[in-house]
Amino acid sequence: AQSVSQHNHHVILSEAASLELGCNYSYGGTVNLFWYVQYPGQHLQLLLKYFSGDPLVKGIKGFEAEFIKSKFSFNLRKPSVQWSDTAEYFCAVNRGYNKLIFGAGTRLAVHP
Amino acid sequence: GAGVSQTPSNKVTEKGKYVELRCDPISGHTALYWYRQSLGQGPEFLIYFQGTGAADDSGLPNDRFFAVRPEGSVSTLKIQRTERGDSAVYLCASSLGYSGRESNEQFFGPGTRLTVL
Repeated sequence: AQSVSQHNHHVILSEAASLELGCNYSYGGTVNLFWYVQYPGQHLQLLLKYFSGDPLVKGIKGFEAEFIKSKFSFNLRKPSVQWSDTAEYFCAVNRGYNKLIFGAGTRLAVHP
Repeated sequence: GAGVSQTPSNKVTEKGKYVELRCDPISGHTALYWYRQSLGQGPEFLIYFQGTGAADDSGLPNDRFFAVRPEGSVSTLKIQRTERGDSAVYLCASSLGYSGRESNEQFFGPGTRLTVL
């Protein structure tokens, strides 16, 4: 069965630290890849997406992700986090217009 | 423009009761999805509509769960004989749903938190 693994369940960082959240998926073939973010008390919002082309994708708020097909990975990065990045981050994958398969999420806490 | 809306935002019910959860997708979106998110987990797919028809209902856990979208817009998720294990946040998402990968982006609503006592 298709699955998405997020390696870190909880991450604690200080402001200005660099962030990398891991995501691996088990789909074969062509996939679409997403990172969603859920800020405290808010609903899921799309952070960035990859459909095709340049494997380095830039999203909102300074986030980026790199698709490495050979490793079935789509890791999320940000060079310098802010307190306002405190949130839960979900990696997701699908094929076509089908259901999204989500990872379990990573809770990020950024301390000032 | 308005995003995906869901009502009610919270629903508390007793074990064995029937509940209905409503989703209003973004206007013009032909695809609609229901997901369920339990505490500490990512959202899990339940059912996907393309227009009025259920294109994929493989995520519905059992026959107590049913969803409709009679006019291709608003959708209702119906749960019969609720059980404590049904307690979760039920999320609705919509997307443009026509050909072209850029139309694949799913926009999520705020969810309905269902608590079964």
